[in-house]
Amino acid sequence: SQELEQSPQSLIVQEGKNLTINCTSSKTLYGLYWYKQKYGEGLIFLMMLQKGGEEKSHEKITAKLDEKKQQSSLHITASQPSHAGIYLCGADIQDFGNEKLTFGTGTRLTIIP
Amino acid sequence: EAGVAQSPRYKIIEKRQSVAFWCNPISGHATLYWYQQILGQGPKLLIQFQNNGVVDDSQLPKDRFSAERLKGVDSTLKIQPAKLEDSAVYLCASSPKKYGNEKLFFGSGTQLSVL
Repeated sequence: SQELEQSPQSLIVQEGKNLTINCTSSKTLYGLYWYKQKYGEGLIFLMMLQKGGEEKSHEKITAKLDEKKQQSSLHITASQPSHAGIYLCGADIQDFGNEKLTFGTGTRLTIIP
Repeated sequence: EAGVAQSPRYKIIEKRQSVAFWCNPISGHATLYWYQQILGQGPKLLIQFQNNGVVDDSQLPKDRFSAERLKGVDSTLKIQPAKLEDSAVYLCASSPKKYGNEKLFFGSGTQLSVL
């Protein structure tokens, strides 16, 4: 089973609207990362959250970490075409004594005019 | 600052052939990762190097995949022989941190198609 579940898998949003992407872990989170990937390209780091209740913002993107619920959310305000892409959450998950950076399956975001 | 360099950008081979990918991390980055990303899935860690030593290769199919990081700088990932299910994007990433995970810097990847 997938250790990190993202929802929704895909999202089509009209330009200017707000949206939220969720990431839920089946194991204890020690660090949660959000990356963005454009088709055919590598991942670009967005934000890192390390403490329960932590919230970070960059331009119109805000991410929160709910450690108790083992969950994080990524919120985009007033979406723009430049926000289109695949959003991936990654987490440091304990695996036989090693911390391994594991990724979710991603959320494909499409922005329509 | 130069980013993580990967080559080739694309590769098409037939099954049972061999293929190699190259990665040059950001200068000074101690940790290097190879990830496999199958279409529609998140990246899966294949191998993690700390300088020229292997930290984690638990998900590397060692019967056909091999990787090395000579001199603790650039790295090569090889598949021999390739199978159809190896079709994926192979991403290289590096990080300056010696212990634990932190922000990773990714290359653009090598897209492999096995026919």
